[in-house]
Amino acid sequence: NAGVTQTPKFRVLKTGQSMTLLCAQDMNHEYMYWYRQDPGMGLRLIHYSVGEGTTAKGEVPDGYNVSRLKKQNFLLGLESAAPSQTSVYFCASSERGAYNEQFFGPGTRLTVL
Amino acid sequence: DQQVKQNSPSLSVQEGRISILNCDYTNSMFDYFLWYKKYPAEGPTFLISISSIKDKNEDGRFTVFLNKSAKHLSLHIVPSQPGDSAVYFCAASDLTSGTYKYIFGTGTRLKVLA
Repeated sequence: NAGVTQTPKFRVLKTGQSMTLLCAQDMNHEYMYWYRQDPGMGLRLIHYSVGEGTTAKGEVPDGYNVSRLKKQNFLLGLESAAPSQTSVYFCASSERGAYNEQFFGPGTRLTVL
Repeated sequence: DQQVKQNSPSLSVQEGRISILNCDYTNSMFDYFLWYKKYPAEGPTFLISISSIKDKNEDGRFTVFLNKSAKHLSLHIVPSQPGDSAVYFCAASDLTSGTYKYIFGTGTRLKVLA
């Protein structure tokens, strides 16, 4: 099992460009999450999904959109990238229900110039 | 408003000694707490958790203590090993909300000196 994978690992964008980050999990998990990690800020939840076809906003959703068309994939989109979106992005997944830990991907380092 | 706080950005401990990492929270509805460990250039990995119905949970060298009245939890690592050097995040959730969201602290960087 690959667990949680993220594509790409690194990306540099210019302000105003768009891109999509792909998260895939092979554990048949129901819940998936997107976080960003910034120095001194910890992990902040951007969007999450509790099942195929569902999405919900987290703590810092502005400037991002997500889609969960297939259970195993969770896409994070930046329509018009800004320097404030320079960060490391982590995807995570967990089983349905309570008392389940999250499994994280290796991260995507995004720089917006 | 930061609901989960880790007030010590870093901690250095001698190998073999105890490491104590602290976490405070403000939301009294939080009822499930987790600790994650993160190495550079990797994603966080789950370490240990505790439900609000308990005040202690132990797994090998790792013990988590929960003080609900003080809204405080701590992670004890005994004995500390150089391989424990990493960033540790605590996270909390209000499972009764049914949203299964987790709020993370800012992390504490632990360095275990050989």
